[in-house]
Amino acid sequence: DAMVIQNPRYQVTQFGKPVTLSCSQTLNHNVMYWYQQKSSQAPKLLFHYYDKDFNNEADTPDNFQSRRPNTSFCFLDIRSPGLGDAAMYLCAAATAALPYNEQFFGPGTRLTVL
Amino acid sequence: AQSVTQLDSHVSVSEGTPVLLRCNYSSSYSPSLFWYVQHPNKGLQLLLKYTSAATLVKGINGFEAEFKKSETSFHLTKPSAHMSDAAEYFCVVSDRNTGGFKTIFGAGTRLFVKA
Repeated sequence: DAMVIQNPRYQVTQFGKPVTLSCSQTLNHNVMYWYQQKSSQAPKLLFHYYDKDFNNEADTPDNFQSRRPNTSFCFLDIRSPGLGDAAMYLCAAATAALPYNEQFFGPGTRLTVL
Repeated sequence: AQSVTQLDSHVSVSEGTPVLLRCNYSSSYSPSLFWYVQHPNKGLQLLLKYTSAATLVKGINGFEAEFKKSETSFHLTKPSAHMSDAAEYFCVVSDRNTGGFKTIFGAGTRLFVKA
């Protein structure tokens, strides 16, 4: 089945130690999103890629970076994680070929910062 | 300006009784509207979507929603709640703009189902 895959499902890192979260999709969709979701809150968009074009949300901290080496893969890099960065990180994919923005979500990576 | 309001942060129902989760939106254009469900420690799963076709939309697991433009509402309903329906539900509005899409999530409604 076509899907969005996130690895790992659970990630533990130390305060200030760089961490990378991975996302891949078999949908061949040209748009990919990264969201941060804290407990009992809605997902908050960090940034998205439209093909190779990177689109950062205005309030996304510089500590968060992303790479998209090809259509299938997208990475979220947190350069110096703080305690406040502990959250669920969700990746999603969508196609711009449709007149509506249906996003397909991965299962998420829960990040713990010690 | 685009916005979405989920009118209840928590809804509690008994198993076998109807479910109503309320969502109001504002949009300058002709929006697409979605309901997603999220079980604990899981990703978001699409329940149903409105994309300017039929105003009564049927989704998975017996859920449906009706797009009412005059009331700017897109409430989610289910005739009979099941224990497995207990989860967080998000109403989402999306408009096409010059840069692609602008998508806004509601704050979420947590559904509790009592035995």
